[in-house]
Amino acid sequence: AQSVTQPDIHITVSEGASLELRCNYSYGATPYLFWYVQSPGQGLQLLLKYFSGDTLVQGIKGFEAEFKRSQSSFNLRKPSVHWSDAAEYFCAVDDNQGGKLIFGQGTELSVKP
Amino acid sequence: GAVVSQHPSWVICKSGTSVKIECRSLDFQATTMFWYRQFPKQSLMLMATSNEGSKATYEQGVEKDKFLINHASLTLSTLTVTSAHPEDSSFYICSAVHGTSNEQFFGPGTRLTVL
Repeated sequence: AQSVTQPDIHITVSEGASLELRCNYSYGATPYLFWYVQSPGQGLQLLLKYFSGDTLVQGIKGFEAEFKRSQSSFNLRKPSVHWSDAAEYFCAVDDNQGGKLIFGQGTELSVKP
Repeated sequence: GAVVSQHPSWVICKSGTSVKIECRSLDFQATTMFWYRQFPKQSLMLMATSNEGSKATYEQGVEKDKFLINHASLTLSTLTVTSAHPEDSSFYICSAVHGTSNEQFFGPGTRLTVL
């Protein structure tokens, strides 16, 4: 079955440390790939997306993600985490490119002072 | 930036009553809106696709007679939970697809609690 997997349910990093959130998908072709952030009381905000082309994608708030076809992965990275980055992060795919998103389970990020 | 609102932001109702949730694109037109459901500490599950002027398309396992969707205009879609029961308690989130950019924007969600 088609699926999106975020292996890490909860990650804690120290402020200023680097961050990598993992995302793997299982689809036959390369889907459209997204990372969203959800903060309490707020809607999902798009961090970045990959449709085609350069496999390293830059997003907002200093985030980037790299698409690796051989590993069916689209991991999110940030070189230096800020306390305000604490939130829930969702990886999502659109396999038929029609806007219907399939979300991963989410990774909750906590930031230690 | 494009803004999507939902009303109400939270609602508490008695079992057996119906609840209507509105999703509005405030500064853009959206021919397509999506409705998602999110349980605590879980992911978003797509419930249905709402297209302006036509019937909604429901995902497998979602009861269309239970969750009525009406996309009456290019800026408004409504989700009505009919004869709500405690198991319908959840966080309901809508998204709207920008008609020009095709980017999807999410509303802040509606917390439904059925007693």
